[in-house]
This record gives sequence, C-alpha cells and structure tokens, in this order.
Amino acid sequence: DAGVTQSPTHLIKTRGQQVTLRCSPKSGHDTVSWYQQALGQGPQFIFQYYEEEERQRGNFPDRFSGHQFPNYSSELNVNALLLGDSALYLCASSLSQLHGYTFGSGTRLTVV
Amino acid sequence: GENVEQHPSTLSVQEGDSAVIKCTYSDSASNYFPWYKQELGKGPQLIIDIRSNVGEKKDQRIAVTLNKTAKHFSLHITETQPEDSAVYFCAASDSGGGADGLTFGKGTHLIIQP
Repeated sequence: DAGVTQSPTHLIKTRGQQVTLRCSPKSGHDTVSWYQQALGQGPQFIFQYYEEEERQRGNFPDRFSGHQFPNYSSELNVNALLLGDSALYLCASSLSQLHGYTFGSGTRLTVV
Repeated sequence: GENVEQHPSTLSVQEGDSAVIKCTYSDSASNYFPWYKQELGKGPQLIIDIRSNVGEKKDQRIAVTLNKTAKHFSLHITETQPEDSAVYFCAASDSGGGADGLTFGKGTHLIIQP
C-alpha cells in the first residue's frame, strides 16, 4: 500500500521564480493538506483541499496557491519566490474528517 | 488562532528509562491532539493521538494524557530504545478527526543514550 508520494524530493530555485510541487495521496484518501516546515520548526498549515476545492487556509499569502485533481492528487504553487520560502514542504492526506493525517517525506525547496 | 507550546526542546535519557514531553494549547475549542515522530529526511509519522472525550490512551510503550481543564497534554515513552531517537511534535486541532489544519509545537529532539 503506497503512502503519500511527493515530487520532486529536492528543488533549487532563484528568487522571483515560480515553483510547482506535486503530491499523490495515500490510496483511499480524499483530502490533501500542505504544510511548510522551516529548519528546526514544526510544520505550519498552508491549506487543505477536498473535492477539488480549497476548504481551509492557514496564514500564508496569495503567492501560495494549490489545486486538487479528480484523482485526489494535488499541486502546490508558489509564485514570486522569496529567500524565506526555503523550507521542507510536506503533503498530508486523510480520509475526510474521520482520520488523522499521513504525511509524505516532503520536497526540500531551496531559494537562492 | 491556536498556539501550541512544547517542552523541552531537547531531552536526553538513558536507554531503558522513560521520557516525557509536555505541550500546552491555548484554544479551548481544540479537541484532537496527535503526536508525530520525525526522523531525519522523513516526514512526520503519527504515533498516537487522543480526542478530548478521553483522558488517557496507551499503545504498548507509548501513552498520551490529556488535561482539558489545564489545556495540557503529554507524551510518555517507557523503556526507551535507541530507535526512539527522533524529533517529536505535538499538535492540536479543533476538528474531531484531525482532518483540518493542525497547529504544531516546535518539536522535542529526543536523544536516547546507550
């Protein structure tokens, strides 16, 4: 049973560029959430997608956007990258409101 | 919004001893409290969770306690083993199932000394 799959695992971008990160949820899960984890910190909630719509959003600017596809996979897009966007981006999936999250191993984004 | 404080930031214990990590939360509406273990290069892994209608939950060597009045919850690991070394995070959510956004603590680096 495959867990949550994220791609790419590592990425280096230049300040001002745009980036797209991808996530495939665990089989049977229909809800995808994205978190940002800075070095030495706990994950911070970015947003959650359910039924292809953004259901809940954390305290992140509009530069952060996402999408969920009919097969429940998801993308996180970040525009106009800042140095401070360098972090581990984690995708987590769950089954509606009844179960806890399963996290992927993340995408390490470095902005230079 | 919710704020979760976690202590200590680093905990070193002898192999075989017990480890306790404590968290406090601010939002009385929070009702779901999971604990995650994160090893180097990996994503957080759910190890145990508790909902607000329960005061204590155990799973083999791991237990979690919740004091809703004081807004405290704690992780207890007994008979620690080298493979318990990792960073542990507590989190809180106002969703009964935890499928909404979680607010995490800053983590505890647990070191098991052989």
